[in-house]
Amino acid sequence: NAGVMQNPRHLVRRRGQEARLRCSPMKGHSHVYWYRQLPEEGLKFMVYLQKENIIDESGMPKERFSAEFPKEGPSILRIQQVVRGDSAAYFCASSPSGGERTGELFFGEGSRLTVL
Amino acid sequence: AQSVTQPDIHITVSEGASLELRCNYSYGATPYLFWYVQSPGQGLQLLLKYFSGDTLVQGIKGFEAEFKRSQSSFNLRKPSVHWSDAAEYFCAVGHYSGGYQKVTFGTGTKLQVIP
Repeated sequence: NAGVMQNPRHLVRRRGQEARLRCSPMKGHSHVYWYRQLPEEGLKFMVYLQKENIIDESGMPKERFSAEFPKEGPSILRIQQVVRGDSAAYFCASSPSGGERTGELFFGEGSRLTVL
Repeated sequence: AQSVTQPDIHITVSEGASLELRCNYSYGATPYLFWYVQSPGQGLQLLLKYFSGDTLVQGIKGFEAEFKRSQSSFNLRKPSVHWSDAAEYFCAVGHYSGGYQKVTFGTGTKLQVIP
């Protein structure tokens, strides 16, 4: 019974390149959350998605960042034209589908992006 | 808006000593409260959670936390720490709205355990 799977675990990009981070939620979960953890800071909410829908993207930077959760396949967080300030750990979490009002979030091990 | 304050950035305790990590939250109604632990290079693991009922909740690895509404606090405790407890601990507050959990994390407390 696999947990939340994120890949790659580590990603190095040069400024101006694109970064794609993938997240496969736990089996049976259809809610996906992305959080960003900057050095010496806590986790900051970025976006919440359900299959084929972005529900809440209030924490996403307005430019260069996008997320999707297609009907088939993993959720993807995409960062275009990366800058050094994008260096962080990006965590994906999932929760069970609707009706679970008190469920916890189940976290992946994170993808650590380093921008040179 | 909900928020979480963890006033201690770093805490050092001796192995075998007791531990208390502080957490204060801000939310208008009764919140859902969580403590997560993160080992270096790893993801977050849930230690315990409070939704309703008994204000003293037991978690994994011998941890417990007490919800005190009057103080807006949810402090984490352990009677005797082990070297393996060295990690970063995050308090979080959530509420259910619009069909999903909105969870806000504190900035974390790093725990160092010395022999």
